[in-house]
Amino acid sequence: QQQVKQSPQSLIVQKGGISIINCAYENTAFDYFPWYQQFPGKGPALLIAIRPDVSEKKEGRFTISFNKSAKQFSLHIMDSQPGDSATYFCPRTSGSARQLTFGSGTQLTVLP
Amino acid sequence: DTEVTQTPKHLVMGMTNKKSLKCEQHMGHRAMYWYKQKAKKPPELMFVYSYEKLSINESVPSRFSPECPNSSLLNLHLHALQPEDSALYLCASSKYTGSAEAFFGQGTRLTVV
Repeated sequence: QQQVKQSPQSLIVQKGGISIINCAYENTAFDYFPWYQQFPGKGPALLIAIRPDVSEKKEGRFTISFNKSAKQFSLHIMDSQPGDSATYFCPRTSGSARQLTFGSGTQLTVLP
Repeated sequence: DTEVTQTPKHLVMGMTNKKSLKCEQHMGHRAMYWYKQKAKKPPELMFVYSYEKLSINESVPSRFSPECPNSSLLNLHLHALQPEDSALYLCASSKYTGSAEAFFGQGTRLTVV
């Protein structure tokens, strides 16, 4: 199964700062690299996703970048806000049904 | 409508009770999932339904019994649970299995007393 290695496990950023979360993967046999955002007591929600043939995708303050040589993709949150405080996951599709498998996640806290 | 609706939002049940969790989606998705999430942990997959047939059971104890009555509904029947089964139970759906885009419900917060 594809292993998910996400870093850091937790991140504290000042309001207005840049939050950077990384996700390493083992091979490129996937067609879609997503980031999910989860607020406490709520279900995860797809935030942004990138195809491996695209190096970068930006949606508002959120940018996902893909580094094929490093086997890593990253989530950048520009001008971080306290409302961005959540847990961020980069799940993989793996297993016989290619089901969504979550790693440990990154808990982001944006200080006011 | 891009919602996955779960009921109830909260449930407290005794260890001898039988209860059911319900999940509904009207996006035409053919894959539906049950996940269990403990506090400060990632969601853990329990069951996968594809075209209304159970395709994955991640070694879940038999006290959890899934059911997919039709393409829009997913149930999770609970019986003789243990206190350690207390968790947030999440339902999700996607167009097909293998899709990286899944839609999650708000979850049912289950407490077993």
